[in-house]
Amino acid sequence: GAGVSQTPSNKVTEKGKYVELRCDPISGHTALYWYRQSLGQGPEFLIYFQGTGAADDSGLPNDRFFAVRPEGSVSTLKIQRTERGDSAVYLCASSLGGTSYEQYFGPGTRLTVT
Amino acid sequence: GESVGLHLPTLSVQEGDNSIINCAYSNSASDYFIWYKQESGKGPQFIIDIRSNMDKRQGQRVTVLLNKTVKHLSLQIAATQPGDSAVYFCATYSGAGSYQLTFGKGTKLSVIP
Repeated sequence: GAGVSQTPSNKVTEKGKYVELRCDPISGHTALYWYRQSLGQGPEFLIYFQGTGAADDSGLPNDRFFAVRPEGSVSTLKIQRTERGDSAVYLCASSLGGTSYEQYFGPGTRLTVT
Repeated sequence: GESVGLHLPTLSVQEGDNSIINCAYSNSASDYFIWYKQESGKGPQFIIDIRSNMDKRQGQRVTVLLNKTVKHLSLQIAATQPGDSAVYFCATYSGAGSYQLTFGKGTKLSVIP
């Protein structure tokens, strides 16, 4: 079946610009997660959605980062006033939710801020 | 705080040999552990998991061992193949009801044909 998809696969933007990254989770998965992965590092948790609500956004680095999931399926990660330090691969994952622990990851969006 | 670390950043093995990748964790409340494989340009792919009430679990060509006494787990890959070349991460949840995966830095496995 279809896995987690993310668009775009690559995004190059100028410092100060606004970007949106999209995630389509596996159909039927109620839980959705965003992670950020810097070069040579493991993914770091950003935010977790259960359904439409952000159950935990404690990993968002600052108020320039925001994410939504209005209908409980597709999610968008939004970054305002991008900085060069935001350059990384942004990974989305989904899971069945509840007591299911297995998270399925998408291929990621590589964001480069110039 | 939670931290998950790996003993070796790189590992090179001959095709057909067995590979062992190690991981240490610090939070004794961690109750669920996952090994992920990440190929270049792709997202992490689930390999195998183990819960804290177990000390060994086997999959297809992979075995995970958990030693809670010393907070250590390992991934063993039997008869390593070129397609196993990737970065391997261990990850853990910090306790019951937790949903934040904490990843280690990763070990890059290179298989020599």
